[in-house]
Amino acid sequence: EDKVVQSPLSLVVHEGDTVTLNCSYEVTNFRSLLWYKQEKKAPTFLFMLTSSGIEKKSGRLSSILDKKELFSILNITATQTGDSAVYLCAVPGGTSYGKLTFGQGTILTVHP
Amino acid sequence: GAVVSQHPSWVICKSGTSVKIECRSLDFQATTMFWYRQFPKKSLMLMATSNEGSKATYEQGVEKDKFLINHASLTLSTLTVTSAHPEDSSFYICSAAPGWAYSNQPQHFGDGTRLSIL
Repeated sequence: EDKVVQSPLSLVVHEGDTVTLNCSYEVTNFRSLLWYKQEKKAPTFLFMLTSSGIEKKSGRLSSILDKKELFSILNITATQTGDSAVYLCAVPGGTSYGKLTFGQGTILTVHP
Repeated sequence: GAVVSQHPSWVICKSGTSVKIECRSLDFQATTMFWYRQFPKKSLMLMATSNEGSKATYEQGVEKDKFLINHASLTLSTLTVTSAHPEDSSFYICSAAPGWAYSNQPQHFGDGTRLSIL
């Protein structure tokens, strides 16, 4: 059974801080790892990682994958209150790329 | 691109009512769509895989007669919660990706439907 574990489960920081969110996984047939941000509604897509060591970057967010150690990190620099959300890590499994197994999520709270 | 629309966003109804939720891919075709359920402060749990033109595939423990799924076209899947009871109250979310089930494209989610059964 595919498994995704995120840490920490919650994090409280102040604006301007840098945070690192962790995701480890066990999957029988690895294809990719995805990061999503969930605020009040459904998750919005952040990154899809398929290759080890290649950083993906979007503004203040960046992510990298280590397929040897089976984990990924999501970094957010210069955090803002708008970054407060649940960050979800997911891996597709089974015979369909869309069938995602999610981690528990990391609740990030950024105080002004 | 890759916009998924879900409707309605919020439903409140009486126990025993059937509720239909629609999931549409607006700017792409999707042979496969997915339905998830999320309880408060919990992660998303896959309920079923909706396959265009064929029967849905349900996850273990999900009652197929309770949660009816229809995927009649390449842009629309519907989830009907039949004879809903308070324990069915939850946040239901659909997802889809361009292409077919074996294409390595990220899933994009609808905005979700918050279902409250009184």
